Formats: sequence, structure tokens, C-alpha cells
Amino acid sequence: DTVMTQSPDSLAVSLGERATINCKSSQSVLYTSNNKNYLAWYQQKPGQPPKLLIYWASTRQSGVPDRFSGSGSGTDFTLTITSLQAEDVAVYYCQQYFTTPRTFGQGTKLEIK
Amino acid sequence: QVQLVQSGAEVKKPGASVRVSCETSGYTFISYGISWVRQAPGQGLEWMGWISGSNGNTDYSQKLQGRITLATDTFTGTAFMELRGLTSDDTAVYYCARDGWAVASTLFWEYWGQGTLITVS
Repeated sequence: DTVMTQSPDSLAVSLGERATINCKSSQSVLYTSNNKNYLAWYQQKPGQPPKLLIYWASTRQSGVPDRFSGSGSGTDFTLTITSLQAEDVAVYYCQQYFTTPRTFGQGTKLEIK
Repeated sequence: QVQLVQSGAEVKKPGASVRVSCETSGYTFISYGISWVRQAPGQGLEWMGWISGSNGNTDYSQKLQGRITLATDTFTGTAFMELRGLTSDDTAVYYCARDGWAVASTLFWEYWGQGTLITVS
């Protein structure tokens, strides 16, 4: 299985500041035939299902604020939230869909400092 | 709008089985598949398996192979997840999510059910 490792496990950022979450896969999730990285990011708030934020590593889902962005390729990826808002407090997960079984990172808990 | 509505919470004894339903609406059921993902209390997300809405093909997590069965009712657009031989480790919130119709088209999940808490005690 492809192991997804996120860092840090938790993060406290001041309102209006930048939050950066990293995700590393145990094998490349880049499909060279189409040059796409099979990597998604989700946001999960308590008592709710995960919400898709980013797919193909950097494509923002419709309706997601542009302060959320994804970057990276191959095995190393980053979710960046610029100008943190109070409603961004949540747990964030990366997920690879290049190999089966599809696997998630362990999650990063984002809080307000 | 796309909706996935799951059945309610259940409490089961160790060794029992549970069946969770996921009723879909707002899209053509046979054009997509359904994946099931679970989340133990305070833990991360685990993909359990996938079923095609068009032909019933399945792909199961090796960890759960032999204990899980996925099924669909194409007339009602409902998917079902049955898990047998329950232990306390199966206590979790179980989610259904819309997926690709074929294994090759299974990617990320945009639409999710609200989740069903299964407690094994």
C-alpha cells in the first residue's frame, strides 16, 4: 500500500497568517503519461464528512476559497492556506488515488493560535 | 443536487453483522460507483471498498476481504455495506461516497453521505 505521511500532526496559526501542511507519499503518485499527480486534499470539521478541497494536487474544487492552494509533484505535496480564517479550523487529510487501495494521510489538526 | 443519505446509527454485539444503506439521488446511479470509507473515533480515514453502480463489480480492501460485502439496488439507487464478524475495532463512523463507475475511474470523492455511527459493544 502507498503510505501517506503528513506533517505536522497539529498546527496553530494566528488569524490572517499562512498555514502550510505537508504530505509525503511512499511512492510517486505522478502518472507520467498524463503528467497528473493523483493527490487530493480534504477538510473535515467535527461531526461532518470530509470536504474535497483540492484534486490533481493543485486544482481547487468549485466553491473552495482561493486562499486554499495545493502544490507539489511526485512524492511531496503541500496544502497552503493563506490568511487563515476562523472557519478554517479543521483536520486536513491528503489522499492518493494513484494506486489501490486509495490511502489517506493521518491528518493534520489546524487550530487558531 | 447530488445527495447520499445513510441509515441511522446502530449498536451491535461482538461477532454480529451490520448492514448500512446509502440512498442516492440527484444523479444517474448506474453512471457512477460508490465507495465506503470509515473513521474510528478520533482516528483517520480508511477506504473499505468500492462497487460499480452499473455492473456490481467490486474492489475490497485486503484488510476487510472476507468480512465485507457491498451491494446495490439500481432501481432505488441505493448502495449497501455489510460487515460481518464485528469486533470493537470496527466501532467507527461509516461513510459512503460517490465514486467512478469502473475501477479505472475511481479517483477522489466529491460527494459524501452524512455518516453512520456503528458501535460494537
